[in-house]
Amino acid sequence: EPEVTQTPSHQVTQMGQEVILRCVPISNHLYFYWYRQILGQKVEFLVSFYNNEISEKSEIFDDQFSVERPDGSNFTLKIRSTKLEDSAMYFCASGGRMNTEAFFGQGTRLTVV
Amino acid sequence: GENVEQHPSTLSVQEGDSAVIKCTYSDSASNYFPWYKQELGKGPQLIIDIRSNVGEKKDQRIAVTLNKTAKHFSLHITETQPEDSAVYFCAARKYNTDKLIFGTGTRLQVFP
Repeated sequence: EPEVTQTPSHQVTQMGQEVILRCVPISNHLYFYWYRQILGQKVEFLVSFYNNEISEKSEIFDDQFSVERPDGSNFTLKIRSTKLEDSAMYFCASGGRMNTEAFFGQGTRLTVV
Repeated sequence: GENVEQHPSTLSVQEGDSAVIKCTYSDSASNYFPWYKQELGKGPQLIIDIRSNVGEKKDQRIAVTLNKTAKHFSLHITETQPEDSAVYFCAARKYNTDKLIFGTGTRLQVFP
């Protein structure tokens, strides 16, 4: 069964460093998303991406965040200068069409120290 | 703003019993309501969803009901099994957006 895969599963980084979280969405999907889940809290929307551009973003997704689909298969989330409060599980998701179900990856646990 | 409330936060049931998890949403423009199951260390897995043009949907032991007037939707699991133990999240989405608004989650424990 096709699935969304994310790497790495766990990333530890020092405050102020840049991190790139990677995702390989399901191959024929066109809509891509990043969500995050701070420990013990609800899953929160960060950004959606379609046709090589951001289609929607939340207020969490400030100038420190960016997304890219560099090669037609990977979908990345970059945090330019990490803060302690960026520590969370980051989930990538993809969907085949607008307004259809989204399938989530297993997540990357980001720990900022 | 948009909000989804979910109750209860924890639920313990005996194997074979039924479990019901309830959610309410604030935005009447919401028209899509998925339920996700999250096992420890894994991402949310879609288990069932419902759109606003139907009131109920069933898939084997799992069913979801929707009351648009009251802005409530519920997940029903019958004949629970220990492998149903997980955190369950409801979510809602408006017709003109891709953004899912998640509930706070329910930790379900099924005791053998």
